[in-house]
Amino acid sequence: SQQGEEDPQALSIQEGENATMNCSYKTSINNLQWYRQNSGRGLVHLILIRSNEREKHSGRLRVTLDTSKKSSSLLITASRAADTASYFCATVDNYGQNFVFGPGTRLSVLP
Amino acid sequence: SAVISQKPSRDICQRGTSLTIQCQVDSQVTMMFWYRQQPGQSLTLIATANQGSEATYESGFVIDKFPISRPNLTFSTLTVSNMSPEDSSIYLCSVSQGANMNTEAFFGQGTRLTVV
Repeated sequence: SQQGEEDPQALSIQEGENATMNCSYKTSINNLQWYRQNSGRGLVHLILIRSNEREKHSGRLRVTLDTSKKSSSLLITASRAADTASYFCATVDNYGQNFVFGPGTRLSVLP
Repeated sequence: SAVISQKPSRDICQRGTSLTIQCQVDSQVTMMFWYRQQPGQSLTLIATANQGSEATYESGFVIDKFPISRPNLTFSTLTVSNMSPEDSSIYLCSVSQGANMNTEAFFGQGTRLTVV
């Protein structure tokens, strides 16, 4: 079953703007991961944040994790048209066994 | 990292037939998974492919409909049996190099299946 819920479901912004996507989950986790999917193809791993971490950066990506609120956010700064894709969060439980995807956010970056 | 070759990339099949999807990894991996992604939806885990033993299926998925083979640590197949239009989806193979999911997962490019 899916425990991650993401919002917004769809987001449309202009190139150069920042995009923020949120993910909420229900049970305790070991880590939370963000993935990107272009046009229904395979998923590409973006970033992994562990339950004892609060923030991670990778290039233009910034991920936060609030375990007290059971939520995470993905911020893409200075967006580009090439960032147009679907973004999914996925949670891993404390046993490292269950990998559950959220419903995803469809991001459109307009040139 | 792991590079995954998934074949076929797409197919259009007649209802009642079966399709076997192959997943080849360029290195030995402990964990291999098969997912289904229905149009406009997120990924749903079908099963974990276990090397040398029967796959572990998630609720709602059964071996008769989705038989899986995993003869070694680099290869697996998923068969979609007795297909109906409701089986039209993207099917994705995924691997994790660790013994659990505490590291990133790698995905094949998916198989886009259309059943007519």
